Amino acid sequence: SAVISQKPSRDICQRGTSLTIQCQVDSQVTMMFWYRQQPGQSLTLIATANQGSEATYESGFVIDKFPISRPNLTFSTLTVSNMSPEDSSIYLCSGRTHQETQYFGPGTRLLVL
Amino acid sequence: AQSVTQLDSHVSVSEGTPVLLRCNYSSSYSPSLFWYVQHPNKGLQLLLKYTSAATLVKGINGFEAEFKKSETSFHLTKPSAHMSDAAEYFCVVRGERSSYKLIFGSGTRLLVRP
Repeated sequence: SAVISQKPSRDICQRGTSLTIQCQVDSQVTMMFWYRQQPGQSLTLIATANQGSEATYESGFVIDKFPISRPNLTFSTLTVSNMSPEDSSIYLCSGRTHQETQYFGPGTRLLVL
Repeated sequence: AQSVTQLDSHVSVSEGTPVLLRCNYSSSYSPSLFWYVQHPNKGLQLLLKYTSAATLVKGINGFEAEFKKSETSFHLTKPSAHMSDAAEYFCVVRGERSSYKLIFGSGTRLLVRP
């Protein structure tokens, strides 16, 4: 299995600012992902974080708004840029192991005022 | 395209009674299916997964699910509910074009009455 931690666990931000969320995995994973869970909703995949190269974004998500880095196999960051109240969500990091099972972090609860 | 439908947004049971959370999937081939649980203010935890082995899958905390191809269903069950089972449950299918992409159902909130 994989244990995934995220920082910060929650934050309250002003509109127009940016927040960077960090994700750390305790063991090597083959792939890392970022998801968004809007209030009362299910999870939506934002992007796949690729080590040493640009992330692969899903439809409706762009790099300028959600820049992602993955400098090594066990660490990734997601930045939510130029935030608006519509960005208020839970952002979850996920890692897929060699056994092809995905594990999730506890999430970062973001409120934008 | 792959999809999952969770038939109930809320399920309420009494402690000690059986739990049934319903999930139907759509897939053009034999899918990989999962159930995840999300407790309040906590992350997602994998309950169980089906990957074309035994059709009856046993998971953690006494949960199990049965893959029924003829009914395109993957319902989650537990013989006796516990108060600690109160949470949001997500049925998930692995995407078709990308074997790594997970597609989440809308979720079922399980309420357990004392």
